[in-house]
Amino acid sequence: GENVEQHPSTLSVQEGDSAVIKCTYSDSASNYFPWYKQELGKGPQLIIDIRSNVGEKKDQRIAVTLNKTAKHFSLHITETQPEDSAVYFCATNRWGAQKLVFGQGTRLTINP
Amino acid sequence: EAGVTQFPSHSVIEKGQTVTLRCDPISGHDNLYWYRRVMGKEIKFLLHFVKESKQDESGMPNNRFLAERTGGTYSTLKVQPAELEDSGVYFCASSQDVGPQHFGDGTRLSIL
Repeated sequence: GENVEQHPSTLSVQEGDSAVIKCTYSDSASNYFPWYKQELGKGPQLIIDIRSNVGEKKDQRIAVTLNKTAKHFSLHITETQPEDSAVYFCATNRWGAQKLVFGQGTRLTINP
Repeated sequence: EAGVTQFPSHSVIEKGQTVTLRCDPISGHDNLYWYRRVMGKEIKFLLHFVKESKQDESGMPNNRFLAERTGGTYSTLKVQPAELEDSGVYFCASSQDVGPQHFGDGTRLSIL
């Protein structure tokens, strides 16, 4: 079945540095790749998403890149700030099946 | 615009009892999804409604779980009888058509 591997499971960076989280998927029919941020006690919040016909998308300090050949996609956060500390989840789904398959999550800690 | 709301936020019950979780999607969203995260693992899909119809229930773990969406508005997820392994956080999400899924803050279910 579909599988998404997410790495690293924990990531600690200094404030102002960049953070990169990577996900690898198994289903070649995957065509939608969202990233969610979950803060303590809250539900996952969509922060950026990309579709399979696009290789990269940016939104201020956040960017997502997609390599369909290698079946992996990455989240890049630049100029990190303390409020970026949270658990981040990648996910995918395939055309015609809206259920999301999630990665295991990455706990990102920004050190002041 | 109100987001996805879930009730209760926490529930603690004994093994063998019954619990009902409720989800109110964003107004106008025909698509409603249930997911759960057990023991710090990845978020896993349970089922997907389109209006009042079950579009995909491939993730429902067993027949102790019953989801309903009468009238195509709010949804309930009943667990009867509850077992220890049902403990976790249950998330509801909603979307318009094939748009991005927006999550509620979840119900934390503890089975004693």
